[in-house]
Amino acid sequence: KNEVEQSPQNLTAQEGEFITINCSYSVGISALHWLQQHPGGGIVSLFMLSSGKKKHGRLIATINIQEKHSSLHITASHPRDSAVYICAAHGNQFYFGTGTSLTVIP
Amino acid sequence: EAGVAQSPRYKIIEKRQSVAFWCNPISGHATLYWYQQILGQGPKLLIQFQNNGVVDDSQLPKDRFSAERLKGVDSTLKIQPAKLEDSAVYLCASSLGRGTHNEQFFGPGTRLTVL
Repeated sequence: KNEVEQSPQNLTAQEGEFITINCSYSVGISALHWLQQHPGGGIVSLFMLSSGKKKHGRLIATINIQEKHSSLHITASHPRDSAVYICAAHGNQFYFGTGTSLTVIP
Repeated sequence: EAGVAQSPRYKIIEKRQSVAFWCNPISGHATLYWYQQILGQGPKLLIQFQNNGVVDDSQLPKDRFSAERLKGVDSTLKIQPAKLEDSAVYLCASSLGRGTHNEQFFGPGTRLTVL
């Protein structure tokens, strides 16, 4: 069993839809990261959070430490949001989820 | 600010050949990471350096993989000899420090294909 589980694995949405990607982890962590990976491999760090909620533009990340669960929300989704979103839990080492592949259709 | 640089971007080799990847982290970043990302999977940490010292190499296949960061800046990752299952994207990342409050910045990756 993976230490970090993401759902869904694949997600297709219409432009403008509200999107939620979920991440559950089983290890003790100090921080949780949400990463965005575009085709071609480049990875961008979106959020690093250890409690509560963070917002950046149309992206919102939340974490519930007691439930060991985090969510990434995208409001008013756009085709340029199409990418793989990876959740990474930082405990005594980094544990990565397998990613959620998001496709936003115009 | 320049990001993490990696080269080459793509490499195709035959099995049993050797290959080396290079990473130049963001200036001033003490911590450097090498990850292996097999298609369809999340990145797997191979090795973590703090300056020129190894912090974690527990998942590095040491019989064929080696890495160094001699001056605490640039790093090289070598595979010798390569196997088919080494085909993956090799990502380098850096952060200011190793604490959990430090954000990681990723390079573009090197896509390795072993034939």
